[in-house]
This record gives sequence, C-alpha cells and structure tokens, in this order.
Amino acid sequence: EDKVVQSPLSLVVHEGDTVTLNCSYEVTNFRSLLWYKQEKKAPTFLFMLTSSGIEKKSGRLSSILDKKELFSILNITATQTGDSAIYLCAVGGGATNKLIFGTGTLLAVQP
Amino acid sequence: GAVVSQHPSRVICKSGTSVKIECRSLDFQATTMFWYRQFPKQSLMLMATSNEGSKATYEQGVEKDKFLINHASLTLSTLTVTSAHPEDSSFYICSAPGASGVQETQYFGPGTRLLVL
Repeated sequence: EDKVVQSPLSLVVHEGDTVTLNCSYEVTNFRSLLWYKQEKKAPTFLFMLTSSGIEKKSGRLSSILDKKELFSILNITATQTGDSAIYLCAVGGGATNKLIFGTGTLLAVQP
Repeated sequence: GAVVSQHPSRVICKSGTSVKIECRSLDFQATTMFWYRQFPKQSLMLMATSNEGSKATYEQGVEKDKFLINHASLTLSTLTVTSAHPEDSSFYICSAPGASGVQETQYFGPGTRLLVL
C-alpha cells in the first residue's frame, strides 16, 4: 500500500531556531514529491522535487529529495512566528497515479 | 496564475439537511477536479475525483450516495453532502490540475468549513 509519513507530528520552537521536517514515502511509480504550507485555509505550494540531491531554495526555506532512501526534508532557518502552520508533504504517483498526502507536521513558532 | 474558488466558505447546518459546495476554476478549464476532506489537525484525504461529463471516481471508504458529485461544466464541480450529520463536520477543499492534467500542478480552492449541529 502506498504511504507517505511525516515526522515529527508536531513541533514547538522559538523564533530564530532552525527546524527540519521529514517526509518518507513508499509509493510505486514515483513521479514527484511536493511540500505545502497550510495555515487556516487551503495549502499553498512550496516546492516540487523530482530529482535526488538537488536542493530547492526559497528564502529561508529549502528542501532536498533522496530517491534512494525514499525521503525528503524541509528546512526552515531563522524561524519566525509567521512560519507557524501545518506543513504537508505529498507524493505524486502510486498505484492510482494520484497525489498521496502525508500526515502533516504542525509547527508552532513562539516569540 | 490559475485561480480556483469555492462557495460557500463557511456553512452551518442542522443535522439531516443537505449542503452543496461549489468549486469553480475561474480562468481555465478543468475536466478533472479533486475533492478533499480535512479533519482538525489532520492531513488532506482525497475523497473523489470529479470528471466532467462522466461519473466521479470515489476513494475507498467514501460513500458515493452521501457525497454526490456533479461536474456539470468545464469550470464547475459541486459536492453535495446529503443528510449531513455532525461527523461530517470538516474542512472540504477542492482542487483542479493545471495544463498538464496531473495532480502535481493542481490549484487549490480556499476551502469550505462545514459545521453540522
């Protein structure tokens, strides 16, 4: 059965800390891995990763994929209270060729 | 960029009533749309794939007679929660894929928060 697992489930840090969020997957016919940030409404797209070892970066956020070990990490440096959100990992592919979402990581950044 | 709208954004109803949620692609056509449900502090769960001009495809465990989906045009899909009960209270999100048609390029609507009393 295809699955995507994120860890930790929740995390509380202080402003300025660096956090690493993890996403592991077991998905047939892997196409891509995506990261989303969700605050109170619909998820907003962060990154799409298709190749191993190539870091994607956007400001204080960065992500990398390891297709051999079947995982990805999302790093956030110098965290701010505005980074507080649920971070979702999703993998495209699978037996039904759909997006499979992970459980999400709830990040709370305290001032 | 592509925009997907949902209406209503929030609805409160009595148990036993039916609720219709609309999902529209505003500046592009979508032959396929996806409906998700999200319970508090949980991830998105795909409920069904809405197909223009044909029947929706439901995920395992989702009752098709309870969650009626109609994809009437290339820009509109509706989800009707029939005879809603408190356990149906959730955040419902639709999305539409971009030009490639695959889910990776999908655009999410803002979501509809349903509360059934």
